[in-house]
Amino acid sequence: GAVVSQHPSRVICKSGTSVKIECRSLDFQATTMFWYRQFPKQSLMLMATSNEGSKATYEQGVEKDKFLINHASLTLSTLTVTSAHPEDSSFYICSATGQGAEETQYFGPGTRLLVL
Amino acid sequence: QKEVEQDPGPLSVPEGAIVSLNCTYSNSAFQYFMWYRQYSRKGPELLMYTYSSGNKEDGRFTAQVDKSSKYISLFIRDSQPSDSATYLCAWSLGSTLTFGKGTMLLVSP
Repeated sequence: GAVVSQHPSRVICKSGTSVKIECRSLDFQATTMFWYRQFPKQSLMLMATSNEGSKATYEQGVEKDKFLINHASLTLSTLTVTSAHPEDSSFYICSATGQGAEETQYFGPGTRLLVL
Repeated sequence: QKEVEQDPGPLSVPEGAIVSLNCTYSNSAFQYFMWYRQYSRKGPELLMYTYSSGNKEDGRFTAQVDKSSKYISLFIRDSQPSDSATYLCAWSLGSTLTFGKGTMLLVSP
């Protein structure tokens, strides 16, 4: 099956710093990548959708200047949480769809962010 | 009315039981139906994927879709402790997924 990786799996940072999370599709070309956030015992909340080579589309209520998304290639997307605050602490998960399988998303293992 | 309704559980069953997980939806435009399994502190894993009414079987898992009633189910036969996880139903419209809140399943040995 399609494999998506994320790095790092866990990160702890100080308030005010920026954190970058990488999402990679390992065995397929990801035409579209998605970034989700999940709080404890809650479902996944879509933050943004990105297509390779174009600007990300953000969901309502998600600050695009705070959550910078770059989808520079068909196998890599990055999410940068800028000037992180404790309320940004959450589980961030990426997913990807490939050519010919756009209706199915394959998820990465997630990144747990703790902002002190 | 919420687009997707799913009982959060937890649902506790003994090992070997047949498990039934259910979701209802309101948007008749949804095209594809999926079940994901999510272990604690992990990303969701795609279990089943279908687009038509009826049953689809894969090992111990059977996905059932009833488009007329806007209802989908996931059955797990011979449940194992390793099946303990949160199960998320999802629908797609184009490339966008809509998730249920997930049902936590606990299978006791």
